[in-house]
Amino acid sequence: GDSVTQMEGPVTLSEEAFLTINCTYTATGYPSLFWYVQYPGEGLQLLLKATKADDKGSNKGFEATYRKETTSFHLEKGSVQVSDSAVYFCALSNTGNQFYFGTGTSLTVIP
Amino acid sequence: DVKVTQSSRYLVKRTGEKVFLECVQDMDHENMFWYRQDPGLGLRLIYFSYDVKMKEKGDIPEGYSVSREKKERFSLILESASTNQTSMYLCASSVPMGVAYEQYFGPGTRLTVT
Repeated sequence: GDSVTQMEGPVTLSEEAFLTINCTYTATGYPSLFWYVQYPGEGLQLLLKATKADDKGSNKGFEATYRKETTSFHLEKGSVQVSDSAVYFCALSNTGNQFYFGTGTSLTVIP
Repeated sequence: DVKVTQSSRYLVKRTGEKVFLECVQDMDHENMFWYRQDPGLGLRLIYFSYDVKMKEKGDIPEGYSVSREKKERFSLILESASTNQTSMYLCASSVPMGVAYEQYFGPGTRLTVT
């Protein structure tokens, strides 16, 4: 069945460091891929998405490229801020209206 | 903007109580979901509904039931709360986006069962 695997955390970075959170997926067909962010005490918010191979999703300085050949959708940001501290979830949506989430990666950015 | 609201942010209940968690969305979405979130386990699907009065079991439906009498409202019911149901509960609704769907989440309800 479909599934998502993302790197385990927690991840701790200094402010202005480069961020990569790895995400790989298993799916039949052509799923859509998402990154969600969850700030402390809140629900999940959509951060970015990509609906087909080679699409790049971007938002708030974060980027992820849908790589079908490596079945990956890694999240990157060139310079993280303290306000980026949160839990990040990779997810996929395929036909049938089912969503599959990774287990989440906790990011802490220290000044 | 899509808005998904949940009736409570924090809830404390006693073992054996019947608990209702309410979720409302304002974008006329047909599909709604209930998840629970636990550390190290990510999000696990409890139930979802693709239409009024329709429901489907997710991965962990035991101990829960749901109700969808109106399109905008999806309720999660814990018939007899137990301590292992202490968790963060997240409601979501989804909209078609081509062949796949995009989900929108509420702020979550942190339930503690004592």
